[in-house]
Amino acid sequence: ETGVTQTPRHLVMGMTNKKSLKCEQHLGHNAMYWYKQSAKKPLELMFVYNFKEQTENNSVPSRFSPECPNSSHLFLHLHTLQPEDSALYLCASSQDWWTSGEREQFFGPGTRLTVL
Amino acid sequence: AQSVTQLDSHVSVSEGTPVLLRCNYSSSYSPSLFWYVQHPNKGLQLLLKYTSAATLVKGINGFEAEFKKSETSFHLTKPSAHMSDAAEYFCVVTHNAGKSTFGDGTTLTVKP
Repeated sequence: ETGVTQTPRHLVMGMTNKKSLKCEQHLGHNAMYWYKQSAKKPLELMFVYNFKEQTENNSVPSRFSPECPNSSHLFLHLHTLQPEDSALYLCASSQDWWTSGEREQFFGPGTRLTVL
Repeated sequence: AQSVTQLDSHVSVSEGTPVLLRCNYSSSYSPSLFWYVQHPNKGLQLLLKYTSAATLVKGINGFEAEFKKSETSFHLTKPSAHMSDAAEYFCVVTHNAGKSTFGDGTTLTVKP
């Protein structure tokens, strides 16, 4: 499989559930990103990992917990979410963080999350 | 600091007519600029990018954009729209150290 994959593609969860989103990239990249895309809002950067180290946390609530065990995998652990957290969560990767100003990001198809 | 403004939230064109999606940016640094396209229920795909080389950039699917520093613009154009171009388009500005700022997006509708 090539590119950036995300699982699951769709997720419905209650506010008391715990779930995880998974992202995997097969591009040999060293930087990975989580974005939140809500209806009628700009894309919001949540977290950035570069060589497995978190380099950016964009004031994200603690009910979202990222994990990057290696450069190819990125997880987003979810617990006690709110209905306003319902959105499309996109994962992306790029060659690395330092040159990412010039290099494009490659996006996965996203996980459509609905919180009831 | 940097910002990007997509001047139109919706653009509607007829198939076979030109497409113009407008983007203005501001940046304290020499920026890199990107256009991405997002089809329904899909991730974002790179259309083209400007990184301080040629100011007229050609991308995939017949799209191109021109970097105009004096106007701080990076408008996306295509001579002839196709039905498959209907999607949401995002203009993005970045600089080294990787901070990307996305525009709010422009929804392109193509009428038969």
